Order: sequence, then C-alpha cells, then structure tokens
Amino acid sequence: GAGVSQSPRYKVAKRGQDVALRCDPISGHVSLFWYQQALGQGPEFLTYFQNEAQLDKSGLPSDRFFAERPEGSVSTLKIQRTERGDSAVYLCASSPEPAGAATGELFFGEGSRLTVL
Amino acid sequence: GESVGLHLPTLSVQEGDNSIINCAYSNSASDYFIWYKQESGKGPQFIIDIRSNMDKRQGQRVTVLLNKTVKHLSLQIAATQPGDSAVYFCAERGSGNQFYFGTGTSLTVIP
Repeated sequence: GAGVSQSPRYKVAKRGQDVALRCDPISGHVSLFWYQQALGQGPEFLTYFQNEAQLDKSGLPSDRFFAERPEGSVSTLKIQRTERGDSAVYLCASSPEPAGAATGELFFGEGSRLTVL
Repeated sequence: GESVGLHLPTLSVQEGDNSIINCAYSNSASDYFIWYKQESGKGPQFIIDIRSNMDKRQGQRVTVLLNKTVKHLSLQIAATQPGDSAVYFCAERGSGNQFYFGTGTSLTVIP
C-alpha cells in the first residue's frame, strides 16, 4: 500500500525477551520517527532519522532501546530484555520533509502493540 | 521540557452540533502545531496544521485557532458527525524539531 506499514501489528513477549519492530515508511520520505504510546496517553517521542542518520535519540528510555535505518528506508526498533513497563503501542511516522521544515505533517502507521508478560 | 495538555479529557456532543476541543502548550518557542485524530486501533491521522505566525486556519468543517499570548490552541469541528468520534491530539513542534503530543481528548458524538 501507499501508507506507512508496521509489523508485527501485535507482539506478545515474555519478560526478558528481545523484540524487533519493523517500519516501512512511505517511499521517498526523508524523515522517520518512532513514538511510544501507552494506553490512554498521547504518543511520546523516541527517536528521529533523517535518511539513514539518527539525528535525535533523546526520547529512548534506556539503552535497552535501539533503532536503526541503515539504508534510509526501512527502520527497526529493537528492545532488549523487555520489561512489563515496555508494554505499549509503538508508532512509526514518516514525512517527506526534514524535521524543522516549514510544514511537517507526519504520516503514521497503525502501530505495533507490544505486550510484555 | 515541553508539555502539551488538554483542558478536557472527554467531550460528548449531539450530532450536528459544533465541537470545540482545547489544548494548552507550554513552550512559547514552538513554531508549528498539528491536530491529529486517532481512531481505536489506528495511528494518528492529520487533520489540520497551523504555523505560529498565524492565528486562524480553516479546513473542511474544521478550524484551528492559535492564541500565542496565552499559549492556547483550539480545534473547532462544525456539524459534528458520528464519524468524528475519536481521540483528538494537539502536537507542537519543539526546539528539537520533534513533535510533542498532549494526552488527548476523547470526542463522542451522540446520534
């Protein structure tokens, strides 16, 4: 499809397992963002890529969280040694513009819902 | 850090009435704001945006008002329809160029 695609849509992990969440942005989009959305809350910024460069990772909650976008297209968010508090929906968004452009609508995927038991 | 908050967490309106959703932001340096709609199980969807050099912008059935003096945003939806039922977020672009989202307002349209 033409939108942002995320997989898996649902992931159940046992505490301590590693998980990898994938994001396929809209083709040609320069910017890619990862957000974490806890139940009943707004999305919280995790990290931002401009092409393959990770320009901002200030929102990553700990060093267990790692994101990459090696070829400037698909991105993977990896969470190591998952904890129950990591349970949330992880949203990926892309934009044709660099962050800071005059206008910067984000196109969101439907998210990956992670449940850590 | 920035914070974006909403005055009312829930709002119920009759179908056909106008809806007003409010949002307060704290960073006076924020230069760009977006309203998003999020339906259950889906990602946020863009509704309308406004730059800090404007105080009003209109779209189809929606209007965003920005009051920089009191750091307040509002989203007005005209002739609210059942399909408008969703959670609405305002987001501000902070100094680091990432967007900060508020908690959201859940809008329920009563047929």
